Amino acid sequence: GENVEQHPSTLSVQEGDSAVIKCTYSDSASNYFPWYKQELGKRPQLIIDIRSNVGEKKDQRIAVTLNKTAKHFSLHITETQPEDSAVYFCAASEGNTDKLIFGTGTRLQVFP
Amino acid sequence: GAVVSQHPSRVICKSGTSVKIECRSLDFQATTMFWYRQFPKQSLMLMATSNEGSKATYEQGVEKDKFLINHASLTLSTLTVTSAHPEDSSFYICSARDLGAGLGYGYTFGSGTRLTVV
Repeated sequence: GENVEQHPSTLSVQEGDSAVIKCTYSDSASNYFPWYKQELGKRPQLIIDIRSNVGEKKDQRIAVTLNKTAKHFSLHITETQPEDSAVYFCAASEGNTDKLIFGTGTRLQVFP
Repeated sequence: GAVVSQHPSRVICKSGTSVKIECRSLDFQATTMFWYRQFPKQSLMLMATSNEGSKATYEQGVEKDKFLINHASLTLSTLTVTSAHPEDSSFYICSARDLGAGLGYGYTFGSGTRLTVV
């Protein structure tokens, strides 16, 4: 089955700096890669996603890149703000199924 | 947008009792629901996949007799934790797929249930 690894586990940045979180996956048949933001005790919120036929996608301060050959994808947050502080999870679909397998999470802290 | 209602949000139960958690898709039909378990400061671990009208598919290491899943309609899936023990204490969260969504889209998460077994 799919295995998703995520780094770093914690990330502290100054407000206004950029933050990058990286994930690798094992299943070459995976075709969907969402990123979620989760605040304590809340449900995960989709912030951006990318499909395997696209290499990069951007939405305002958030971007995701995908390297299918290397089987890794990254989340980039620019001009970080304190409200970006949360736990971020990457996920990958398991093969060609509906299942989403989550990474281990990154706790992002943005200091004012 | 699509909404999944999950109840209860919090539950405390005694060891040995059973607890039922419900997830309802409010404005769409969910052909597939996924159940996750999340320990504090850890990731979401997929427990099982339920499809309406058929038996749930459990991930390796998840006891099907312990975690009973029923998906009797296109809008309701339930997870029953049977004979609960303190180690079952966790955050349980469901995710539903919209019938009309293409592969990879339409995932909507419930608000989660914090289960504490004492």
